[in-house]
Amino acid sequence: AQKITQTQPGMFVQEKEAVTLDCTYDTSDPSYGLFWYKQPSSGEMIFLIYQGSYDQQNATEGRYSLNFQKARKSANLVISASQLGDSAMYFCAMRDPNYGGSQGNLIFGKGTKLSVKP
Amino acid sequence: GAGVSQTPSNKVTEKGKYVELRCDPISGHTALYWYRQSLGQGPEFLIYFQGTGAADDSGLPNDRFFAVRPEGSVSTLKIQRTERGDSAVYLCASSLRSRLFDNEQFFGPGTRLTVL
Repeated sequence: AQKITQTQPGMFVQEKEAVTLDCTYDTSDPSYGLFWYKQPSSGEMIFLIYQGSYDQQNATEGRYSLNFQKARKSANLVISASQLGDSAMYFCAMRDPNYGGSQGNLIFGKGTKLSVKP
Repeated sequence: GAGVSQTPSNKVTEKGKYVELRCDPISGHTALYWYRQSLGQGPEFLIYFQGTGAADDSGLPNDRFFAVRPEGSVSTLKIQRTERGDSAVYLCASSLRSRLFDNEQFFGPGTRLTVL
């Protein structure tokens, strides 16, 4: 069965510094997609970044980048130049490959609570 | 454009009662998902619709839970004989039908269900 592990329940970072949120995954399928979502205290899930298993380069979206190490099955999120508004829960997720990939549900980790200090 | 909307935003009910939670997906999105998020946990999959049919309902915890999407747009999650353990935030998400892996799911704000 597919599984997502986020080992950091909580993280603190100083404003303007970079932070790495860890995510490891477990799947035997060669094709998969990995996502990171942000969930502020208001509750909505906000898509941040996507990495495909066959992508040659690490994904980047503005201040977000993904440190994808396929052999280690890790997909860590790096947030550069942290801002106070980055304080939120962050979830790593993998699309369930059981449906040929593109339409399956997401499998989420337990999340990491990031707190940005001024 | 309008995002995924869910009503009500909050629902308080008594144990044993019946509740309905509504999800209105983004227009044109054929795929619709329901997730349940308990306190301190990530969302857990409940059911997935492709059009009007439930493509996968393997995440529904038991037969008290049922969901419909009769016209391929709005979906209703129905919970019978609610129990205190059903208390959670119920999230709905929708996505375009796409052959691509990076088919992003757009989430609604959720319905917070509290069973007393």
